[in-house]
Order: sequence, then structure tokens, then C-alpha cells
Amino acid sequence: AQSVSQHNHHVILSEAASLELGCNYSYGGTVNLFWYVQYPGQHLQLLLKYFSGDPLVKGIKGFEAEFIKSKFSFNLRKPSVQWSDTAEYFCAVLGEKLTFGTGTRLTIIP
Amino acid sequence: NAGVTQTPKFQVLKTGQSMTLQCAQDMNHEYMSWYRQDPGMGLRLIHYSVGAGITDQGEVPNGYNVSRSTTEDFPLRLLSAAPSQTSVYFCASSLQAPYPDTQYFGPGTRLTVL
Repeated sequence: AQSVSQHNHHVILSEAASLELGCNYSYGGTVNLFWYVQYPGQHLQLLLKYFSGDPLVKGIKGFEAEFIKSKFSFNLRKPSVQWSDTAEYFCAVLGEKLTFGTGTRLTIIP
Repeated sequence: NAGVTQTPKFQVLKTGQSMTLQCAQDMNHEYMSWYRQDPGMGLRLIHYSVGAGITDQGEVPNGYNVSRSTTEDFPLRLLSAAPSQTSVYFCASSLQAPYPDTQYFGPGTRLTVL
């Protein structure tokens, strides 16, 4: 069965620190991959997506993610976080169906 | 474009009551879906539709009904509310069907069942 794992439930960082949020999936076929962000009190919005081509994908607000097929991973990265990045981040995988991970809450300390 | 709109934003129900959560989109999207968001469980798909007149069950469909009479609207009905249905409900739409592309989410409805 298709599944998505986000191992970090809550991450706390200081401003300017580097960020990496893990996302691993299980599915044997071709996948499309997404990262969504939910800022406090707001609805989910797309950060970035991977469909094909260059496995390093750049999104909005300086975020990027790398698809490593051999590791079934699509980790989200940002070299220097800001207080405004405080939010919940969801990884999603489209294989046979669209499945969301359980989310990672990111808290940035000024 | 208003995007995806949901009403109401907040609702409190008593156990056993029924109600309809409204969802509309003005982007001519074929694919629409309903999710519930619960702490520690992420988003779980309740029902989805790949076009007017076509609906199907998602991961957690029990206790909910949907219909899709028009491309724009996709209401979610709670038949007999239970405390386990206390959650935040998000409607989403996507241009493509049957395989959803980027999802556009509505602002959510926070439902409390007493």
C-alpha cells in the first residue's frame, strides 16, 4: 500500500539556521511529489512540486527539495530560515492516489 | 477568481444533528475533494470527485455523503454528527482528473461536535 512518512513531528530552530525536513514514501511506481505549507490560521498552499526532470526542485520563499529515487525520499531544505517560516509542512505523494504525510510543525525562534 | 471557498468557517453541532459543509470553486477544476485534518494524523481524504456526477470514497468516508451536481460545487453532508467528527475540514480542487495535480485548498471549516 502507498504511504508517506514524515519522521520529524516538531522541529525548533533559531533564525538563520539551516533546515531539512524528511519525507519518505513507499510506492513501487512512478510518483509525483509535493510539499505544502500551512501558516498559522491559514489554509494549505503549495511550496513546490516534482513531476519529472531535474530531481532538485526549487519552490517559493527559498525552499528546495531533492527527489532521491533510490531512497524513496523527497526532503525539503532551506539554507537559512526566518521567523516567518514558522508553519506546518506536509509532504504529499501522488502514485496510485494522493497521500499526505502527517505533517511537521516548524517553530523558528527569533 | 475567488479560488476555493468554504462555508461556514466555524460550526458547533450536537451529537445526532446533520449539516452540510459547502465548497465551491470558480477555476473550472474537474477534481474536487474533501479532507479532514486532525492533530498528528495529517490530512485524510474523505470523498473525492473527478467531475460533475461522479464521486468516490476516500480513506475515511463513513458518516459523510457527497454529491457533485455541478463542476463548481461539492458539498459534504454529515448525516448524524458524532464527536469523532470534530475536526477541521478542507475542500480542495485540482485542474486535472482523474489524477490530481496541484491541489488548491479552501480556508477550512472548524467543526465541533458536542
